[in-house]
Amino acid sequence: ETGVTQSPTHLIKTRGQQVTLRCSSQSGHNTVSWYQQALGQGPQFIFQYYREEENGRGNFPPRFSGLQFPNYSSELNVNALELDDSALYLCASSPDGGGVIYEQYFGPGTRLTVT
Amino acid sequence: GQQVMQIPQYQHVQEGEDFTTYCNSSTTLSNIQWYKQRPGGHPVFLIQLVKSGEVKKQKRLTFQFGEAKKNSSLHITATQTTDVGTYFCAGTGWETSGSRLTFGEGTQLTVNP
Repeated sequence: ETGVTQSPTHLIKTRGQQVTLRCSSQSGHNTVSWYQQALGQGPQFIFQYYREEENGRGNFPPRFSGLQFPNYSSELNVNALELDDSALYLCASSPDGGGVIYEQYFGPGTRLTVT
Repeated sequence: GQQVMQIPQYQHVQEGEDFTTYCNSSTTLSNIQWYKQRPGGHPVFLIQLVKSGEVKKQKRLTFQFGEAKKNSSLHITATQTTDVGTYFCAGTGWETSGSRLTFGEGTQLTVNP
């Protein structure tokens, strides 16, 4: 098992509500990436944070936002939830730096259901 | 934008048969990674390929990176029931920074005992 933890494990929200998902990265990792994985599909990159700054963003609307804290933990916030936001949200940490590509350590994910 | 395609989408094999999944990118990649996701689980890193034409082996698994760095394959010899899961390739393009990965849709492998 990786040292990446996510909370909550499962969440049910109503359309139009807001949600905050949390991730604690593996010790020593300063980069956190968030992915959305719909059922039966591959993970889709939402954004990445490196040393508390956004470091790349995928094709997701502004209502998807994030934060990274000094201890490198991270939050994903989604406003105005839509039914299509129902998915597994994965957080992945890596020891990025200097342009080297490292493997990503995924957390167990948060299963979000929007009704 | 960069797209990564994987075939087949599903593969059913008898235990002991071989299995191969193929990955193709619309653009040249700087590197490619492979992940395995068990049912109900999260992606777990298997390997990273960086060099053109690179071949790496992990026991019964053989990974290849194409000469043009636009395609890759994963071959499993003599599958076992423990190989069940979805295998994803994930590439990083030259224009992106950090470890941003573009995942393929995955190949779901089932192994009949």
